[in-house]
Amino acid sequence: AQRVTQPEKLLSVFKGAPVELKCNYSYSGSPELFWYVQYSRQRLQLLLRHISRESIKGFTADLNKGETSFHLKKPFAQEEDSAMYYCALSGNAGGTSYGKLTFGQGTILTVHP
Amino acid sequence: GAGVSQSPRYKVAKRGQDVALRCDPISGHVSLFWYQQALGQGPEFLTYFQNEAQLDKSGLPSDRFFAERPEGSVSTLKIQRTQQEDSAVYLCASSWTDGNTIYFGEGSWLTVV
Repeated sequence: AQRVTQPEKLLSVFKGAPVELKCNYSYSGSPELFWYVQYSRQRLQLLLRHISRESIKGFTADLNKGETSFHLKKPFAQEEDSAMYYCALSGNAGGTSYGKLTFGQGTILTVHP
Repeated sequence: GAGVSQSPRYKVAKRGQDVALRCDPISGHVSLFWYQQALGQGPEFLTYFQNEAQLDKSGLPSDRFFAERPEGSVSTLKIQRTQQEDSAVYLCASSWTDGNTIYFGEGSWLTVV
């Protein structure tokens, strides 16, 4: 069974401080990991995916297969980063991946001025 | 359209009532997903369509839940004899095809009283 764990429901930082949102996963095959973000009164949207190895809005995330983690990091948090963040996993057991996602419970990030 | 569209946005149903939730995916998107999000939880997978074929319904919680996509475009999620535990946000999502970025709708908020 696949599982995604986000240990922190709430995370508060001050503007300009570094931020790290933790994500651990459990999956026996080769997963694809994502971070989704939901800003206030907006729909859930993709922030980044590990396969792209890109930085979006200053955020990066590295897949660590040894520690089964995919933590989201940003060196200098901004007030507009305040949102709900979900880590998600798409498995391809059996060789077919069609984007079915398993989500963590989410972390509410608040960046104070 | 500009994005995935869902209706109604808000629905209050009396226990035992049947409800139907509609999803209009982005034009041309082959893959369509339904997720259920209970309060304080991450979205949970319900079912997946590729065009009109329902290829995975492993997440449907009971036989009171039924989804269809008869012409490979609009989809309807039907819940029969609603119960209080069905209260949740029901999210629809679509993508061009397997493995592509998944785009979410704003959700249909169902409250069963």
